Amino acid sequence: DGGITQSPKYLFRKEGQNVTLSCEQNLNHDAMYWYRQDPGQGLRLIYYSQIVNDFQKGDIAEGYSVSREKKESFPLTVTSAQKNPTAFYLCASSSRQGPAEAFFGQGTRLTVV
Amino acid sequence: GDSVTQMEGPVTLSEEAFLTINCTYTATGYPSLFWYVQYPGEGLQLLLKATKADDKGSNKGFEATYRKETTSFHLEKGSVQVSDSAVYFCALHYNTDKLIFGTGTRLQVFP
Repeated sequence: DGGITQSPKYLFRKEGQNVTLSCEQNLNHDAMYWYRQDPGQGLRLIYYSQIVNDFQKGDIAEGYSVSREKKESFPLTVTSAQKNPTAFYLCASSSRQGPAEAFFGQGTRLTVV
Repeated sequence: GDSVTQMEGPVTLSEEAFLTINCTYTATGYPSLFWYVQYPGEGLQLLLKATKADDKGSNKGFEATYRKETTSFHLEKGSVQVSDSAVYFCALHYNTDKLIFGTGTRLQVFP
């Protein structure tokens, strides 16, 4: 079955460490997105990519980095520069053909300890 | 810029009550509109969508009509169930630009 997979589901990080969240999709979608969700809050866009080897900053890109070397993969690195990284991170993908809905992964809950 | 505004929650209802969650949007063109649902600890799932003015999206008893004249896409359900308790997000997708979400509205349904 086609879908979008995030791993791991739970992640713990010590302060000062970088950590990479995985996002893989087999839906043949060109566009991929990373969102951050804090408790009781909506979704805030971190980065998005419309095509391989290209990506754009979203509303809260500071302290994060991404790469898009393959169409299927869009990993997010939370760097030590991110002051408050504890949150729920959601990856999504969509087709660029017409008005397409987004497909979401199950999310990664990151906790800084 | 483009934006989506949702009513603040939580919305608290008894089972079998009528539900309305308001959503209005601002867009420079003609976006497609979506409602997503998020159950606790999970990602978002598409609930319904409408791609042009006057379209009605429907799924699982939920409905929303794309009203261009009022720039609205309100979510309704005639009789809610406890299992409908979740967070609901209104969103717009304008051509190939980034997805834009509202802040979400938490629905709590009690037996």
